[in-house]
Amino acid sequence: KAGVTQTPRYLIKTRGQQVTLSCSPISGHRSVSWYQQTPGQGLQFLFEYFSETQRNKGNFPGRFSGRQFSNSRSEMNVSTLELGDSALYLCASSLLGPVGANVLTFGAGSRLTVL
Amino acid sequence: GQQLNQSPQSMFIQEGEDVSMNCTSSSIFNTWLWYKQDPGEGPVLLIALYKAGELTSNGRLTAQFGITRKDSFLNISASIPSDVGIYFCAGRGGGNSGNTPLVFGKGTRLSVIA
Repeated sequence: KAGVTQTPRYLIKTRGQQVTLSCSPISGHRSVSWYQQTPGQGLQFLFEYFSETQRNKGNFPGRFSGRQFSNSRSEMNVSTLELGDSALYLCASSLLGPVGANVLTFGAGSRLTVL
Repeated sequence: GQQLNQSPQSMFIQEGEDVSMNCTSSSIFNTWLWYKQDPGEGPVLLIALYKAGELTSNGRLTAQFGITRKDSFLNISASIPSDVGIYFCAGRGGGNSGNTPLVFGKGTRLSVIA
């Protein structure tokens, strides 16, 4: 059974550009969550999607957005990149339904560097 | 919002020693999870806890869900070099907030000296 797949694994952008990250969840998993990981802040919650609907949103500016497709694949977009957006972006999927999607299985992450 | 305090931030131990780390929250949780992250990888689930007082083992790892529902600990017995990594606690709020996202601690970085 394939795990959570994130693409690209590494990317370098410059300030002001925008970036789109992709996540393919484990087959059958309908819930997808995104986290930003930085050395100083740890894992910070970005968004959570279930059945193409955003269930929860973290405390990030509107430059961060996401969506989920009918096949449960998800994308997140960051516009007008800032240096502080450099981080490891982790996607996680879960088998459970709308309430109590407790156990997350993570992908290897997309490491974004903003110059 | 909910916050988790995880300690210690880092540990240097000798191979064979036991390890203990813990997490406390400012509010009640109904789920506690412990993850381990190796360099260049995403976190991998080690143990999941769902009931106050629950004590669960996974090989040399043992974790407990605190009675107050505001804390959890993870013990590793007889550490080996492959235990090196960052350990994260994560929790989800209780009561009517079953729809809340998982909150993570900032991690405990474990180094094992052979």
